[in-house]
Amino acid sequence: ELKVEQNPLFLSMQEGKNYTIYCNYSTTSDRLYWYRQDPGKSLESLFVLLSNGAVKQEGRLMASLDTKARLSTLHITAAVHDLSATYFCAVVAGDSNYQLIWGAGTKLIIKP
Amino acid sequence: DVKVTQSSRYLVKRTGEKVFLECVQDMDHENMFWYRQDPGLGLRLIYFSYDVKMKEKGDIPEGYSVSREKKERFSLILESASTNQTSMYLCASSYTRYSQPQHFGDGTRLSIL
Repeated sequence: ELKVEQNPLFLSMQEGKNYTIYCNYSTTSDRLYWYRQDPGKSLESLFVLLSNGAVKQEGRLMASLDTKARLSTLHITAAVHDLSATYFCAVVAGDSNYQLIWGAGTKLIIKP
Repeated sequence: DVKVTQSSRYLVKRTGEKVFLECVQDMDHENMFWYRQDPGLGLRLIYFSYDVKMKEKGDIPEGYSVSREKKERFSLILESASTNQTSMYLCASSYTRYSQPQHFGDGTRLSIL
């Protein structure tokens, strides 16, 4: 059974700092997604990572995938308050083309 | 832009009622999904559909059913609502094409009293 674990589940940090959110998954998968959710809002797709060594960047966020270690990271550089949100990773279930298994989410609070 | 529209943002129902949650997408997506979201548990898949009139159970289908009579519309039905079904319900849709992300509606916060 595929399981997805994120850590930390909660992170409070100061503006200007760097930090990394980790997403581990338990069985082989070749696709990983990162989503963002603002309070009271829906989920927004951030990154799609499709292969080992894939790296995607958007502004202060950078995501990477290591399929051998079954690990993805979401790195935040010089955090700003607007990045406060809950971040989810999701992995494609092994025998499905589209069903996702989700991590529990990381609630990120960035203090001015 | 993809638009996934859920019929209600907030809904309050009573125990034992039959509850309908509606979802419509405007991008001709083949796949549609219903999730529930509870604090600390992430998103859990209730049902999904990969074509009209087709449905598959997700991880927590008990107490729910679904209907997909048209490609753009996917309905979630709580046959006899119970208090443990109080939750945030999220609808999503996607293409079958490899790697395409799921697009989500705004969610329905359902309270069962």
